[in-house]
Amino acid sequence: AQRVTQPEKLLSVFKGAPVELKCNYSYSGSPELFWYVQYSRQRLQLLLRHISRESIKGFTADLNKGETSFHLKKPFAQEEDSAMYYCALSRRSSNTGKLIFGQGTTLQVKP
Amino acid sequence: DVKVTQSSRYLVKRTGEKVFLECVQDMDHENMFWYRQDPGLGLRLIYFSYDVKMKEKGDIPEGYSVSREKKERFSLILESASTNQTSMYLCASSYWDPGRNTEAFFGQGTRLTVV
Repeated sequence: AQRVTQPEKLLSVFKGAPVELKCNYSYSGSPELFWYVQYSRQRLQLLLRHISRESIKGFTADLNKGETSFHLKKPFAQEEDSAMYYCALSRRSSNTGKLIFGQGTTLQVKP
Repeated sequence: DVKVTQSSRYLVKRTGEKVFLECVQDMDHENMFWYRQDPGLGLRLIYFSYDVKMKEKGDIPEGYSVSREKKERFSLILESASTNQTSMYLCASSYWDPGRNTEAFFGQGTRLTVV
């Protein structure tokens, strides 16, 4: 079964602390993994995708095929990082763009 | 700037009513999607469309139908609304690129309450 699991509903850290939002997936083919973010009162938007291998707003995520994980990391959390984060999966090279989302993790960065 | 616009931010409907949720995008995207967003469940795909008049069921199509008569507009229809369809509904669009996933752009959401 195709599935994305985000085990933490809420992650609360202090400003300046490291952050790791966990994402595990189950997929039989070649997946492409994404992180989407929704800030308060804003639309859901793409944060990063594993194919790009880039750092956005200080966040990085590495696809670990052995552990079937795609954890999102940031070395020093900022208050403006507080948001809902969704990990999502699609079939690699799919042109339909269909996404399978995880349950979401709320990140709360305290001052 | 890509714009995906959903016609209503909030809707309250009665059980048994036929409900239309409208979504319009202005970037000439081929793909359009309807998801519902529920706490603890994340986003689940209801239907998607990859071209005018083309549609495919997602993971939870029961109780819903869709219409795509024009490329820019994708409508979600609840034939007979029920209380378990109370949710946040998100529309999204993306352009078609052979062999590549493209970024999905989301609307602001419609919070539907069925009473």
